[in-house]
Amino acid sequence: KQEVTQIPAALSVPEGENLVLNCSFTDSAIYNLQWFRQDPGKGLTSLLLIQSSQREQTSGRLNASLDKSSGRSTLYIAASQPGDSATYLCAVAGANSKLTFGKGITLSVRP
Amino acid sequence: DAGVIQSPRHEVTEMGQEVTLRCKPISGHDYLFWYRQTMMRGLELLIYFNNNVPIDDSGMPEDRFSAKMPNASFSTLKIQPSEPRDSAVYFCASSLIGHQYFGPGTRLTVT
Repeated sequence: KQEVTQIPAALSVPEGENLVLNCSFTDSAIYNLQWFRQDPGKGLTSLLLIQSSQREQTSGRLNASLDKSSGRSTLYIAASQPGDSATYLCAVAGANSKLTFGKGITLSVRP
Repeated sequence: DAGVIQSPRHEVTEMGQEVTLRCKPISGHDYLFWYRQTMMRGLELLIYFNNNVPIDDSGMPEDRFSAKMPNASFSTLKIQPSEPRDSAVYFCASSLIGHQYFGPGTRLTVT
């Protein structure tokens, strides 16, 4: 059974700092990996999707990497802003399209 | 496109009552997913459909839960009878070629 872990559960950084959020998964036979953002009381917004054959994806100040063999992914946020404060969830998909989610990292960016 | 639409946004009901949650996926998407989110367990997949056909309902917690997708633009998740432990946020998501797009969720409170 696939398990996804995100540690730490919460992170607080000053504005402007570059930061890395980590995600690990137990079964490397994945189809893709997605990073989502969730604001309080809202649904999830897809940030980046990395196919199993890819190593990284970039969107603006966000860069996600995937190392399937070691079961790890990172989400890099450059020049963090208070508006980046949210919960970031990592999810891995098997070939059956089912997503298994981590519990998320709650990020607070202090002005 | 309006995105994934869920109704109601909030539902408060008494134990033993029937609850029906509704979802309209994004037009053209061929997968539809129902999730439940709680603080304790995080995001859990309940059931998903492909081209209106239920593919995997192994996440449905009990026979009190049922889901239908009568056509490509509508799905329901029904709980009968509801119990206090069913209190959670229920999300619907739809996808095409991997990216899952989430609705805003229905916050269910069973007293």
